[in-house]
Amino acid sequence: DIQMTQSPSTLSASVGDRVTITCRASQSISRWLAWYQQKPGKAPKLLIYTASNLENGVPSRFSGSGSGTEFTLTISSLQPDDFATYYCQQYNSYSPITFGPGTKVDIK
Amino acid sequence: QVTLKESGPALVKPTQTLTLTCTFSGFSLNTSGMRVSWIRQPPGKALEWLARIDWDDDKFYGTSLKTRLTISKDTSKNQVVLTMTNMDPVDTATYYCARIRPYGGYYFDYWGQGTLVTVSS
Repeated sequence: DIQMTQSPSTLSASVGDRVTITCRASQSISRWLAWYQQKPGKAPKLLIYTASNLENGVPSRFSGSGSGTEFTLTISSLQPDDFATYYCQQYNSYSPITFGPGTKVDIK
Repeated sequence: QVTLKESGPALVKPTQTLTLTCTFSGFSLNTSGMRVSWIRQPPGKALEWLARIDWDDDKFYGTSLKTRLTISKDTSKNQVVLTMTNMDPVDTATYYCARIRPYGGYYFDYWGQGTLVTVSS
């Protein structure tokens, strides 16, 4: 299986900060990567798919980039609603789906 | 609109078999390109993909649990069922069903609210 890592595991930030989360795959997954936001007690919510495509209805302050084995999720100006845990997920068609361990964004 | 909802027992005993049902609306698993997955999340831990079933009845399972899982569908009821045998306390988790975006790649565009399953004697 393809292993996914995320860094940092926890990120403390303030409203208005620019935030970047990194996700790495153990082998190349081209651009087959999605990002989700999860709040406590809730299901994950799709933010980004195919590395950089913004899901309908997701604020434009979220953006994704990368290809191959290294990807980033950027929040350009952190808002109060953005404090949550973020997961990356790879979906290379030749390998089972796997998720990263998550990055918790909390209030500084 | 698309909705999914998980149902099943909240508590199971070790060694028992767990059966979970995902009831969905807003799409049909008879439609080409439609796929539904199960994903779980132990308390405070990360997401783990478990299984997938496709419109053509193709089935796929995660590597670590494949010997214990069976996924099936009842298209007349708009349901997907997951069974997991030989339950253990480490299987305590919230279990989600989710739709895979049709023809978009294997990512999840709609999720159920999840159902917490506790394994304890």
